[in-house]
This record gives sequence, C-alpha cells and structure tokens, in this order.
Amino acid sequence: NAGVTQTPKFRILKIGQSMTLQCTQDMNHNYMYWYRQDPGMGLKLIYYSVGAGITDKGEVPNGYNVSRSTTEDFPLRLELAAPSQTSVYFCASTQRGALSYEQYFGPGTRLTVT
Amino acid sequence: GENVEQHPSTLSVQEGDSAVIKCTYSDSASNYFPWYKQELGKGPQLIIDIRSNVGEKKDQRIAVTLNKTAKHFSLHITETQPEDSAVYFCAATFSGAGSYQLTFGKGTKLSVIP
Repeated sequence: NAGVTQTPKFRILKIGQSMTLQCTQDMNHNYMYWYRQDPGMGLKLIYYSVGAGITDKGEVPNGYNVSRSTTEDFPLRLELAAPSQTSVYFCASTQRGALSYEQYFGPGTRLTVT
Repeated sequence: GENVEQHPSTLSVQEGDSAVIKCTYSDSASNYFPWYKQELGKGPQLIIDIRSNVGEKKDQRIAVTLNKTAKHFSLHITETQPEDSAVYFCAATFSGAGSYQLTFGKGTKLSVIP
C-alpha cells in the first residue's frame, strides 16, 4: 500500500512552458485534492474532486486545470507557466463516509518557474 | 468563506517543556478541526483532530482543546522531544458541506532544543 504518490519530485520550467503533475492513490479514496504551499502561507486548495468525472475549483484555481478519469489518478495541468506558480504542490485524498476525515498527503512536487 | 489564523509562526522550546499553538476560525458552522505535522521535505500528516461536539481530546503527549463560543482551538504538546521539531498546521472545515475542504492556518515552526 503506497498511499499517495506524486511525480516528479522536482521540476524546473521556463516561463510559458506547460507540464502535468501526476498524483495516484491506491486506497480507493473517492475524494482527492490539489494544494500549493508557499513559504509562510500554509496550504491553499487549487482544485478538488469528489469522484471520477467530477471536479471543482478551490481557492486558487487560476492557471491550472485538472481531470479525474479514474478513482486512482488526479493529474494537475499547468498551462503557460508563470513565476507566480513557483511553489510546492501537494496532492491529498480522503474517503467520504469514513469515521475520520483524515486527508492523506503525497510527498509533494517542488516546481520552479524561471 | 472560512478564515483560520494561527499563532505563533515560530516557537522554540527546551526539550521536556510544553508547547502550545493557538488557532482561531471565523465560520461558526465549522465542526471539524484537525492538526497536521509536516516534517522537512515531506507532506503533512494528521496527528490529532477534534469535532465540535467535544471540548478536549488527548493522545499521549498531544492534546487539543476547542472553545466553540470563542471560535478558537489549541494544540498542546507536553514533554517535548527533538523529534517534535516540525511545522504544525491547524485547519477547519464544515463536514456537512460534502467536499471536506480544509482551510489551513499559515503554520507554526516548532523547534525543540536538546
């Protein structure tokens, strides 16, 4: 049971490039989330999904897109990367209906846009 | 929307002393309050949580208290050890909303000095 895995661990992008951050969970959780973490700013929700085929915006969705075609995968797409997207990105998952609302986080992807 | 304030932003204690981190929330509908610990280079991990129908919860050296009237909750760590050094985040959500979105505080960097 690997939990939540994210790839890549690190990435450097040039301004205007695009990339996809991958997230996979093997716990059969129906809820998945993408956060960004900036120094001293906590975690901000970008997008979330309550099940395959269903996604919704969080607090800071501009510049990002997501899709959820399977229960396991929740990729985050950056189009036209900007320096403001330099951050550490975390994917998380949880199971609705469980006794606990615990979100399980992946190890993160550190992205630098220059 | 919900707003969570967390204090202090940094905290240094001597090994064996107690540490207290405080958070306030703005939305009186919030009913679930988790605390996450983030070690360097890793994703956050749930250490304890409390629901609004409970005033205090304890798990070994860690306790959380909740004051619904004042809309604040606190994390207490007793007999601190060097391995407690990490960044701690409080969060809040209204579980009845269905999306289980968490609003995080900005974090407290705890340093335990041996």
